[in-house]
Amino acid sequence: GENVEQHPSTLSVQEGDSAVIKCTYSDSASNYFPWYKQELGKGPQLIIDIRSNVGEKKDQRIAVTLNKTAKHFSLHITETQPEDSAVYFCAASRSSGSARQLTFGSGTQLTVLP
Amino acid sequence: EPEVTQTPSHQVTQMGQEVILRCVPISNHLYFYWYRQILGQKVEFLVSFYNNEISEKSEIFDDQFSVERPDGSNFTLKIRSTKLEDSAMYFCASSVRVGSTDTQYFGPGTRLTVL
Repeated sequence: GENVEQHPSTLSVQEGDSAVIKCTYSDSASNYFPWYKQELGKGPQLIIDIRSNVGEKKDQRIAVTLNKTAKHFSLHITETQPEDSAVYFCAASRSSGSARQLTFGSGTQLTVLP
Repeated sequence: EPEVTQTPSHQVTQMGQEVILRCVPISNHLYFYWYRQILGQKVEFLVSFYNNEISEKSEIFDDQFSVERPDGSNFTLKIRSTKLEDSAMYFCASSVRVGSTDTQYFGPGTRLTVL
């Protein structure tokens, strides 16, 4: 089955700096890669996703890049703010007829220092 | 904005007891999921459900687990005889398949503590 590795496990940045989180996946058939943000006591919230037919996607301060050949994808947050502090999870999945099974990375605790 | 809701937020039970975790998915969604997260570990897929039947299940989802959509709004996860290792955060998620759009929206979770 799919295996997703995520690095780093913790990341501290100064407010205004950029943060980069990287993930690798093992199943070459995976074609959907969402990123979730989890704040304390809450469920994962989707922040951005990318499909295998594109290499990059951007939404304001957040961008995701995908390298299918190397089987890795990354989350980039620019101009970080204290409210960006949370645990970020990457995930991967492939179509299986109907519902998708997400395989998650182990998470990155991002701390933005004021 | 519609959201997935889960009850209870925290459930404490004795080992061997049955528990039912409840979820109300987003109203027009057709696909339903349960995931769990043991403290400090990854979020793990348990089961997906579509058209009133299980679509996929993981190795974790053994005979002690079952899911049900008893009516038009609720989606439940039952653990028949809880074990200590079932202690975790359980997340429900739902999605709607519109073309290639199938984003999964997660609920806030139920923290299950088995004593």
